[in-house]
Amino acid sequence: KQEVTQIPAALSVPEGENLVLNCSFTDSAIYNLQWFRQDPGKGLTSLLLIQSSQREQTSGRLNASLDKSSGRSTLYIAASQPGDSATYLCAVGTQGGSEKLVFGKGTKLTVNP
Amino acid sequence: EAEVAQSPRYKITEKSQAVAFWCDPISGHATLYWYRQILGQGPELLVQFQDESVVDDSQLPKDRFSAERLKGVDSTLKIQPAELGDSAMYLCASSLSRHEQYFGPGTRLTVT
Repeated sequence: KQEVTQIPAALSVPEGENLVLNCSFTDSAIYNLQWFRQDPGKGLTSLLLIQSSQREQTSGRLNASLDKSSGRSTLYIAASQPGDSATYLCAVGTQGGSEKLVFGKGTKLTVNP
Repeated sequence: EAEVAQSPRYKITEKSQAVAFWCDPISGHATLYWYRQILGQGPELLVQFQDESVVDDSQLPKDRFSAERLKGVDSTLKIQPAELGDSAMYLCASSLSRHEQYFGPGTRLTVT
């Protein structure tokens, strides 16, 4: 059974700092990995999608990497801003009959002005 | 930009009552998912549809939950009877096969 772990569970940083969020998964048989942002009481906003054949994806100040063999992904946020404060969720697309995403519990990020 | 629509956004119901949620996926997306997210946890899949067919409902509590997507477009998730432990955010998502999943705003259910 696929399990996804995100470390740390919570992170508080001053504005302007670069930071890294970590995600690990137990089964390397995935077809993609998505990073999402969730604001309190809201739905999920997709940030980056990495296909299993890719190593990284970039969008603006965000960069996500994938090392499928070691079961790890990182989300790098450059020059953090207070508006980046949210919960960040990592999810892996599982191979097999179902195409469901298996999620971690998230990292709650607070960027202080 | 196309979005996944869900209604209602919030629902408060009493224990043992029936409740229903509606989802309209992005046009052209054949795959539709219902996830449940308990506070402080990541979402977990309840049911996945490919067009009008159920692909995975292994985690759906079938004694009280039902889901349908009759014409392969919009979908309804029903709970009857609701229990206190059903309080959660219910999220709908859609995608092209094995592509990026797009989520709606969710329905926050509170069972009293």
